[in-house]
Amino acid sequence: QKEVEQNSGPLSVPEGAIASLNCTYSDRGSQSFFWYRQYSGKSPELIMFIYSNGDKEDGRFTAQLNKASQYVSLLIRDSQPSDSATYLCAVRTGGGADGLTFGKGTHLIIQP
Amino acid sequence: ETGVTQSPTHLIKTRGQQVTLRCSSQSGHNTVSWYQQALGQGPQFIFQYYREEENGRGNFPPRFSGLQFPNYSSELNVNALELDDSALYLCASSSIMTLNYGYTFGSGTRLTVV
Repeated sequence: QKEVEQNSGPLSVPEGAIASLNCTYSDRGSQSFFWYRQYSGKSPELIMFIYSNGDKEDGRFTAQLNKASQYVSLLIRDSQPSDSATYLCAVRTGGGADGLTFGKGTHLIIQP
Repeated sequence: ETGVTQSPTHLIKTRGQQVTLRCSSQSGHNTVSWYQQALGQGPQFIFQYYREEENGRGNFPPRFSGLQFPNYSSELNVNALELDDSALYLCASSSIMTLNYGYTFGSGTRLTVV
């Protein structure tokens, strides 16, 4: 059974600080990893994907992947109140027909 | 504006009824997937269609079925609705060549079963 685990939070971070979101996954065959942001009542929005070990940076966002530890993280630098949302970690295993396995999401609150 | 449109946006049905949800894929995307997101949960994969054939399915019973049309639009049909089917239903489109780069989700259909 493929599982993706996230701390549901809420995670409260002061404005301007670094928010660190974590995710672990159970299937070692997982190949692609995604972070989605979801505002209340809205659909998920893709913000980062990563498939190689190490760091990937895009603006204020950095995704980190460690396949040996089955661990994915998302760092948000210079956190803004508009970053307050639920962040969903998702994993794809191998073939394209598998769909994505999502965690339950971490609720992030940026305090002004 | 995501380019993936879903209809209707909200729907209320009675237990035991049938429902059809619709999705128009983003231009150039030939793969469509459907997800169910219950309140407070992450989306769960229902199934995926490519070239009008189902080519992947999650842990959902056969009363969840779908269609993909030649123009890559899609339908999700749910028969014999149960109260637990109340959820946000999300359609996601992608190119089969770029699945590993992520999906574009539509705005979703909120289904309430009473």
